[in-house]
Amino acid sequence: DAKTTQPPSMDCAEGRAANLPCNHSTISGNEYVYWYRQIHSQGPQYIIHGLKNNETNEMASLIITEDRKSSTLILPHATLRDTAVYYCIVRADGYGGSQGNLIFGKGTKLSVKP
Amino acid sequence: GAGVSQSPSNKVTEKGKDVELRCDPISGHTALYWYRQRLGQGLEFLIYFQGNSAPDKSGLPSDRFSAERTGESVSTLTIQRTQQEDSAVYLCASSSQVGGGEGYTFGSGTRLTVV
Repeated sequence: DAKTTQPPSMDCAEGRAANLPCNHSTISGNEYVYWYRQIHSQGPQYIIHGLKNNETNEMASLIITEDRKSSTLILPHATLRDTAVYYCIVRADGYGGSQGNLIFGKGTKLSVKP
Repeated sequence: GAGVSQSPSNKVTEKGKDVELRCDPISGHTALYWYRQRLGQGLEFLIYFQGNSAPDKSGLPSDRFSAERTGESVSTLTIQRTQQEDSAVYLCASSSQVGGGEGYTFGSGTRLTVV
């Protein structure tokens, strides 16, 4: 079973920031938080991941609470193309591959509206 | 190649027939994963290959499902005696074991329809 809890759906106005929450209250000290998204009819796409520090890349920012029990993915200026299902996943290996598979939950369906 | 390639992109087969789905991972990626996604559902893990280690087959739903991978290259997922409940998109992903933290790269999937 997925170790994370996400709202099933969210709406966001185009051009505004989209803030997607994720609860992972049972996260272990060596587990990273990963975010992926899946645009309709495509395979999932890696967005960002982090351990305890906030992270930012060209796609998004990841804010992890100090107790690491929750996190927020921020899309600073959402566009219509950001409409997708967003998955928050926790797993032990930050480098991918060597510790087994990612367990995907149901994710949050983000709808960006004009 | 530049990304993970899967073929065919679409497959329609009759119930009871065998099918083979192919995945070409990113060159140099040591880990390869197969997932299944039924319509409107999340991803289900099927099987995981890591280098020359024994594959993790814990997600395969029945003995009709099998997969092979030659070294660190192409993988084939085989479904024997297909059933209608096998209809789904089958997704393959690969990742590099060494640093980077780029996560997994997924292919576009094979949409299997069993009629």
